[in-house]
Parts: sequence; C-alpha cells; structure tokens
Amino acid sequence: SQQGEEDPQALSIQEGENATMNCSYKTSINNLQWYRQNSGRGLVHLILIRSNEREKHSGRLRVTLDTSKKSSSLLITASRAADTASYFCAPYYGGATNKLIFGTGTLLAVQP
Amino acid sequence: SAVISQKPSRDICQRGTSLTIQCQVDSQVTMMFWYRQQPGQSLTLIATANQGSEATYESGFVIDKFPISRPNLTFSTLTVSNMSPEDSSIYLCSVRWDFSGELFFGEGSRLTVL
Repeated sequence: SQQGEEDPQALSIQEGENATMNCSYKTSINNLQWYRQNSGRGLVHLILIRSNEREKHSGRLRVTLDTSKKSSSLLITASRAADTASYFCAPYYGGATNKLIFGTGTLLAVQP
Repeated sequence: SAVISQKPSRDICQRGTSLTIQCQVDSQVTMMFWYRQQPGQSLTLIATANQGSEATYESGFVIDKFPISRPNLTFSTLTVSNMSPEDSSIYLCSVRWDFSGELFFGEGSRLTVL
C-alpha cells in the first residue's frame, strides 16, 4: 500500500499540552508530507520533510523522520483549541508515481 | 500557494442525475487531482486530470462514472454520473506545481444524493 498509516486514530488533550501523532509507511520515499483538515473542509499543507532530513520545524510544529524505521512523527506544542482537526501524513514516492495517497488520519481534539 | 475555487460548494441531487463540479486555479499548474471523501472517511484519489489527454483513473474508478476534463492548465471538471446515495461525499480538487512538492486543495464540493 502506498498510503501512510497514522497512529493513534484519535487523540484528546487539554489546551496547552503537546500532541504527538505518528505515521508509518512501507517503502522508500522521496519525501513525506503532513496535512490538516478542519471538519468538512479542504486539506491544508503543514510541512514537507525530505528523505535526507531528520527533523523540521515550522512554528509550533516539529516533524521527525526515521527512514530506517519508515516512520515519521508530528509534534504540536502548546496546543490550542483551534488545532482541533484531522491530521494526515502522505508519503511521496516520486518516480512514475506522482500522486499522494492519504491514510485514515488522526483526529485531534483539543479541549479548552 | 494558489487560490483554488470549486463550484458548487454543495448541492443536493436526485438519484439518477449527473452533476459537474468545476475547479478553477488562479495560476497555471502542472498537476491536478480529484479526490473523494465519503462521510467519516479519509480521502480517496479518483484520478489525475491530465491536460489535453484522458485522465488517469485509480483502481475502482472509471471514466463512464467520473468523466474528467482538463482543457487547460488552470481548469478542470469532474462529473459524477448517474448518481446514487453512495456517491454522497465531499469531492476535492487539488493541484501541485512540481513533481515533489505539496498539494493545495480547494474547499471541496459537498454532494448529497437523495
């Protein structure tokens, strides 16, 4: 399967806490991307990490990539109620396959 | 980034009818994709819309049911034909400029089939 598998499926935390979501994939990637979807809306790209990168930051987001374990994690620090959304990882394999396949995502609920 | 406009944003349709969804981008893009998101589910790729040629469909999706046009680098349409209640979903248009970069999504078209 080309899609990433997110874990956990659902996560509920209090405002101010950190949220960690994990993603696993099957074969070697060109890059891995994380997206957020607020209820019923289009997806918003959060961050892209290339296969030769191990960690990347963007504001309160920190993404790590371990290609030996074929896994990635997304950390949201000091979470806010507005972070409540579904989060998806999407491994990109490159080559003739230029599409992104999305997994089931992690539904994050941040309680005020 | 880009501004991606989808029309209609939502519609309620009768069984057996067809609906065409439009996707307009404010700049030329290399790749356009159509996704479907059924209630409570993740996104499923329907097809890659190729400019000037037939779309490339994913397994489980066929041209007769989901004809796609892409007449130029800024516009595409997806038609959902002979609709049934199982076609009730959000349909999302997405674009990418280069072969490894991120996808940008429209706000989606929420379709309810009665």
